Amino acid sequence: AQSVAQPEDQVNVAEGNPLTVKCTYSVSGNPYLFWYVQYPNRGLQFLLKYITGDNLVKGSYGFEAEFNKSQTSFHLKKPSALVSDSALYFCAVRGTGRRALTFGSGTRLQVQP
Amino acid sequence: DVKVTQSSRYLVKRTGEKVFLECVQDMDHENMFWYRQDPGLGLRLIYFSYDVKMKEKGDIPEGYSVSREKKERFSLILESASTNQTSMYLCASRKDRVSSYNSPLHFGNGTRLTVT
Repeated sequence: AQSVAQPEDQVNVAEGNPLTVKCTYSVSGNPYLFWYVQYPNRGLQFLLKYITGDNLVKGSYGFEAEFNKSQTSFHLKKPSALVSDSALYFCAVRGTGRRALTFGSGTRLQVQP
Repeated sequence: DVKVTQSSRYLVKRTGEKVFLECVQDMDHENMFWYRQDPGLGLRLIYFSYDVKMKEKGDIPEGYSVSREKKERFSLILESASTNQTSMYLCASRKDRVSSYNSPLHFGNGTRLTVT
């Protein structure tokens, strides 16, 4: 079985401040980890992924995520938040031998001007 | 750019009706997926298909079936709609080779289904 936990329903941050959206996972074998973003009334868009190699991965729109194997975490980060980053963020995982992703419950990010 | 098109943006159906949700992708992707999105529950996988006429159950297949007669089209069928199937339904596609299992999913804009 594979699962993802996003412990925060909502994260509030002021524009210009750093942001972190948390994600922990559970899989059999190696984890393949993803972040997706959903803007209002839109489908999900891919942000970034960790497959192997460097634990810090960089993605679209200035986002990055850090893979921590010992803590089974893959937190999404950005050094300086923008109001336009306000959206719903989903973490997802795929374990070895599985074809489909399992998604977390989502975290709503609100960036205040 | 990959385009995944869901035929209806909003749909209202009555309890007991048979409902078809259609999804078409234009990039010759082998894999197609149906998820439902509910507040607080995130996305849950209903069914996916890894080739024409091939399908596999996801985490919540009860009350649903699927059809994949052509590579570009993947249909989700609610055999007898119920109020607890009121939800946002998202279709996605992805290339299918082992090395591409980690390719990004491409999502449609979703169909918001209300069953009354």
